[in-house]
Amino acid sequence: GENVEQHPSTLSVQEGDSAVIKCTYSDSASNYFPWYKQELGKRPQLIIDIRSNVGEKKDQRIAVTLNKTAKHFSLHITETQPEDSAVYFCAASNEGAQKLVFGQGTRLTINP
Amino acid sequence: DVKVTQSSRYLVKRTGEKVFLECVQDMDHENMFWYRQDPGLGLRLIYFSYDVKMKEKGDIPEGYSVSREKKERFSLILESASTNQTSMYLCASTGPAKNIQYFGAGTRLSVL
Repeated sequence: GENVEQHPSTLSVQEGDSAVIKCTYSDSASNYFPWYKQELGKRPQLIIDIRSNVGEKKDQRIAVTLNKTAKHFSLHITETQPEDSAVYFCAASNEGAQKLVFGQGTRLTINP
Repeated sequence: DVKVTQSSRYLVKRTGEKVFLECVQDMDHENMFWYRQDPGLGLRLIYFSYDVKMKEKGDIPEGYSVSREKKERFSLILESASTNQTSMYLCASTGPAKNIQYFGAGTRLSVL
C-alpha cells in the first residue's frame, strides 16, 4: 500500500521568511496530493491540493509543487505570518480509492 | 458549511471498558472515516465506510470496530479499552468531491 513520509517534523522560521515542507510517496498510482492545516486545538482543514496532471499550484502565499518522477511533493509558504503557525499534514491517494494516506505532520512555528 | 460533529471532546475511561465514540455529519456524505492522531505518527486510518452497513478496515483496525446503521452516523467502538488506545480520535467525511475530507473537532480519549 501507499506510504507517505513527511519532513521535517518541526520547523521554526522568522516571520516574513519562507517555509518549505516536503513529502515523498511510494505508490506511483497515487494521483491526488492534498495538504491539511491543523491549528492548535482545532480540526484539520484542507488548504491546497494538487493532482498529478500539473506540476505546481499556487494560492496567494501558499504553493505546492509535485515531481511525479521522484515521487515527492512540497508545500511552500512565503511571507510567513504568525497565523501560519500550525501542524501541517501532507497526504496522497489514488482518487479512485477515495481514502487518504497521511504523512506524519510538521509543526510549523513562526517566530515574531 | 459542512458540519461533522463528534459527541465528546474529552473522555476518560478505565481499562477494559467498552467505549463508544460517535460521529454525525449533516451533508448526506456517503464516505466516513475514523482516524487516530498521535504525535509523530500523523493521522492513521482505523476504519472507513462507503455506505450504510458497509465498513472496511484501515491501517490500524486491531482493537476497534465500527457501526454505520444510518448514513449520517458512524460510530467507533473500543470493545475493551486499553491504555495504548489513549489518543486523539478524529472522524471525517467526504462528499461529491470525494477526496476532500471534512473533519470533526476530535475526541481526546484517556484510558486509565
